Amino acid sequence: QVQLQESGPGLVKPSQTLSLTCNVSGGSINSGDYYWSWIRQPPGKGLEWIGYIYYNGGIWDNPSLRSRLTITIDTSKSQFSLQLHSVTAADTAVYYCARAYSGWYFDSWGQGTLVTVS
Amino acid sequence: DIQMTQSPSSLSASVGDGVTITCRASQGISYYLAWYQQKAGNAPKLLIYAASTLQSGVPSRFIGSGSGTDFTLTITSLQPEDAATYYCQKYIRAPYIFGQGTKLEIK
Repeated sequence: QVQLQESGPGLVKPSQTLSLTCNVSGGSINSGDYYWSWIRQPPGKGLEWIGYIYYNGGIWDNPSLRSRLTITIDTSKSQFSLQLHSVTAADTAVYYCARAYSGWYFDSWGQGTLVTVS
Repeated sequence: DIQMTQSPSSLSASVGDGVTITCRASQGISYYLAWYQQKAGNAPKLLIYAASTLQSGVPSRFIGSGSGTDFTLTITSLQPEDAATYYCQKYIRAPYIFGQGTKLEIK
């Protein structure tokens, strides 16, 4: 059973870069069946897809965040990462990493990590 | 972008009741729709994909239907553990949009 675990600072200052890493265990990050995703949820609000990366480095992202977004993958460490640049208070959210089957629906999720911009 | 609209935004029902949540797409999305359950303080959990296919391990009281622009999630014989917020998500193409959520309270 695949497990995903987010890690990174819980507090980021405005205008700085939010950086998170997701560690994948119990399954292969090299599997061609899955895309490795970031999704966020502001406190008390709904879910927003940020983007995802394929094992070969291909990236699909939300146009609303594209100019501030960097997503990378390190298959040797079974990890993928998110960087969101020039953050503001509006980027305060629980950030989830998730696995998307065929890049479609999200069948496994990390527990989420709250990042506060302040 | 295709927008997803859920209704109602919240509802309350008793144990043993059945409820239906609706999700409408602003354009046709065929059957490329998933449903998730999110309990307070937890990550979302996939319930249904391809509009009506039950994810492994999900109880059969969760029923998805629809295609095109109109979809429903029906929960029959409500249990106390069904209290949660439910989200639909379209995945016909990026960006992958979620509905705004429906909060289900069990009386």
